[in-house]
Amino acid sequence: EVQLQESGPGLVKPSQSLSLTCSVTGYSITSNYWGWIRKFPGNKMEWMGYISYSGSTSYNPSLKSRISITRDTSKNQFFLQLNSVTTEDTATYYCGSGDSNWFAYWGQGTLVTVSS
Amino acid sequence: DTVLTQSPALAVSPGERVTISCKASESVSTRMHWYQQKPGQQPKLLIYKASNLASGVPARFSGSGSGTDFTLTIDPVEADDTATYFCQQSWNGPFTFGSGTKLEIK
Repeated sequence: EVQLQESGPGLVKPSQSLSLTCSVTGYSITSNYWGWIRKFPGNKMEWMGYISYSGSTSYNPSLKSRISITRDTSKNQFFLQLNSVTTEDTATYYCGSGDSNWFAYWGQGTLVTVSS
Repeated sequence: DTVLTQSPALAVSPGERVTISCKASESVSTRMHWYQQKPGQQPKLLIYKASNLASGVPARFSGSGSGTDFTLTIDPVEADDTATYFCQQSWNGPFTFGSGTKLEIK
C-alpha cells in the first residue's frame, strides 16, 4: 500500500523559506507523479506542482518564481521548498501521488504557519 | 486559471439521492476528478476522469459530465458520507480545485 508522510517545521518566519519532506513507502518515486497541494484556512485548495517519475517538474505559475520540488530516489523522498514566504502561505500542506492528472494517494497533511 | 464553482453546502437524509455539482469557467473535456475530505483527514479520490470510480470506492458514488458541467451523485446517502466534496480539473493548466461542497446528513 502506498503511504505518504509529510514532515517539516510547523512555524516559519516571514521572508524565510518553507521546506517540507514527503517520505514514501510502498511505492517507488521513480514511477508515477508526486506533487504538493495546499489547503488554506477557509477551504481553498491550490495545486502547487509535481515531480515526475523521470525527475521533470511542473509548477503552478502563480508560484513559479518561489517554488522548487526535488527528490532523493535513494531515500524514496521528495521535497518542497517555497521561498520568501508571507502570512498568506499559511496552510495545510499535503503531498500526493497518482497519474499526472489526479491524486490517488495523499499524506495526512502538515500545518505550516507563517508568523514572526 | 479555470474557475470551478460548487454550491457551498447541502443537507440530505440517509437513504436519499444527492447530486453535487461543479461548473467550470471553460471546457475541461472529461478531466474532472472528485475527492471526499472528512474533518481532520486527507482528501480521498472518489472519481477520476469524470465518471471512473476509484479503487475501493463504493458503487453508491458515481460521476458524470463533460465540458463545463459535472455532477457527483451519491445514491443512497449514508451517515458516513458527511464530508466536504471537492472537484479538481486537469485539462487546463494549472490544475485547479473547486471551493468544496459541505454535505450534511440530517
